[in-house]
Amino acid sequence: EIVLTQSPGTLSLSPGERATLSCRASQTVSSTYLAWYQQKVGQAPRLLIYGASSRATGIPDRFSGSGSGTDFSLTISRLEPEDFAMYYCQQYAGSQGYTFGQGTKLEFK
Amino acid sequence: QLHLVQSGAEVSKPGASVKISCKASGYTSTTYNIHWLRLAPGQGLEWMGIINDSGTGTKYQQKFQGRVTMTRDTSTNSDYMELIALRSEDTAVYYCASEPPEKYYFDSWGQGTLVTVSS
Repeated sequence: EIVLTQSPGTLSLSPGERATLSCRASQTVSSTYLAWYQQKVGQAPRLLIYGASSRATGIPDRFSGSGSGTDFSLTISRLEPEDFAMYYCQQYAGSQGYTFGQGTKLEFK
Repeated sequence: QLHLVQSGAEVSKPGASVKISCKASGYTSTTYNIHWLRLAPGQGLEWMGIINDSGTGTKYQQKFQGRVTMTRDTSTNSDYMELIALRSEDTAVYYCASEPPEKYYFDSWGQGTLVTVSS
């Protein structure tokens, strides 16, 4: 089973700062199968990035994804107040289905 | 993208079963796979399984094999997830989510259904 480990667990920043969130896989993951989601309290997750680096429909360009192999990252170039939320990476592992990282909480500093 | 609307919160006793619905609007659900996931308190997102775009095929995570059944009513664009033999650890918010076939990500989500298992 491929395990996704996200770091840091909590990231404390201020609006206007740059955020970099990491997602490391225990085995090589195809970039095609790597996605990122944002989830706010009481809401459903929202797709941000798919295929490791493609923005989903309606996602602002301050969000970007990168990486390959076992190391992937989500970058928010300039934090807006509405960006403070939980973020999850997700991968597709074929016959084993889909797995998620444990999440990174992005909070106000 | 689909708009997915789920049924309301449920309270069940240990050993009982629950069946949650997920109704699609926008594009018809026959063009999308529907997945079911859950978020338990203090846990991360967990994928439970998939029903394919035609409603003829399902695949469940091994953890839920034998306890979960996913079905689709194509006449009403509605999907259903039934979980039996409930235990306290099944207390969670359950989500349906759509996947464009063979895209391997979830582009639309239902609002979530809280299932509480308590005696």
